[in-house]
Amino acid sequence: QLQLQESGPGLVKPSETLSLTCTVSGGSISSSSYYWGWIRQPPGKGLEWIGGMSYSGTTYYNPSLKSRVTISVDTSKNQFSLKLSSVTAADTAVYYCASRILYRNIFDYWGQGTLVTVSS
Amino acid sequence: QSVLTQPPSVSAAPGQKVTISCSGSSSNIGNTYVSWYQQLPGTAPKLLIYENNKRPSGIPDRFSGSKSGTSASLGITGLQTGDEADYYCGTWDGSLRGDVFGGGTKLTVL
Repeated sequence: QLQLQESGPGLVKPSETLSLTCTVSGGSISSSSYYWGWIRQPPGKGLEWIGGMSYSGTTYYNPSLKSRVTISVDTSKNQFSLKLSSVTAADTAVYYCASRILYRNIFDYWGQGTLVTVSS
Repeated sequence: QSVLTQPPSVSAAPGQKVTISCSGSSSNIGNTYVSWYQQLPGTAPKLLIYENNKRPSGIPDRFSGSKSGTSASLGITGLQTGDEADYYCGTWDGSLRGDVFGGGTKLTVL
C-alpha cells in the first residue's frame, strides 16, 4: 500500500512562498489511476481542497487559490510538490498530501500532515 | 461556507446508532460518487466509505453509507467511545471542476 510523507519548512514569513514536498513510497507516482493532491486544515477548522496533478500533467486547482498555487510532479524522485505564493496568516494550516483515485472521488491514502505557520 | 453541508455535531450514547447527513447539489453529490472520511483527534483523515456505500478493507460493517438524489448519509451503529472523531463527506463538483468537502461533523459518544 502507498505511504505518503510531507516535508518542508514549518514557518513561513508573510508575503513569501510556502513550499512543501510529498514523497510517495510503496507505489509509483507514474500510475495513470491517480492524481496527487494537497488538502489543508486550518487549526480547529475543516478540510479545504487545494488541488492536484496527475503524472501526465493534468492539473486541478481550487478556484479560490488557483492564482497562488503551483503543483508539480517529479517522477524521477517519486515526489510531488506544492507552492503557495504570497502567503498570509490565513494560510496557517496543517497541510496534507494524498493520493486521489481518478473518476472515483476517493482520497485513499494520506500523509500524516505538516503544520505550516505563517508569521514574521 | 462549504459546498457540502453537514451538521456541526451529533451525539449519542454507547451502543446506539447515529446518522450524519451531507447535503449537496446536482453539480456534485447528485451527479457522482461520495466518500466519507474519519479524522480521529490529532491524526490525518482516513477513508471510511467510498462510492457512496462501500467499505475499504478493515472498516467494520458498523459503518455504512447511502446516497439519495443530492444528499448522502453516513450511519454508525453500535457506537463506541473510539468512534469519537470528526467525519467529512467529499466528492467532485463538476461546476467548480474540483474536489469539495463538507464542513465536518463532530461525533460525541456520551
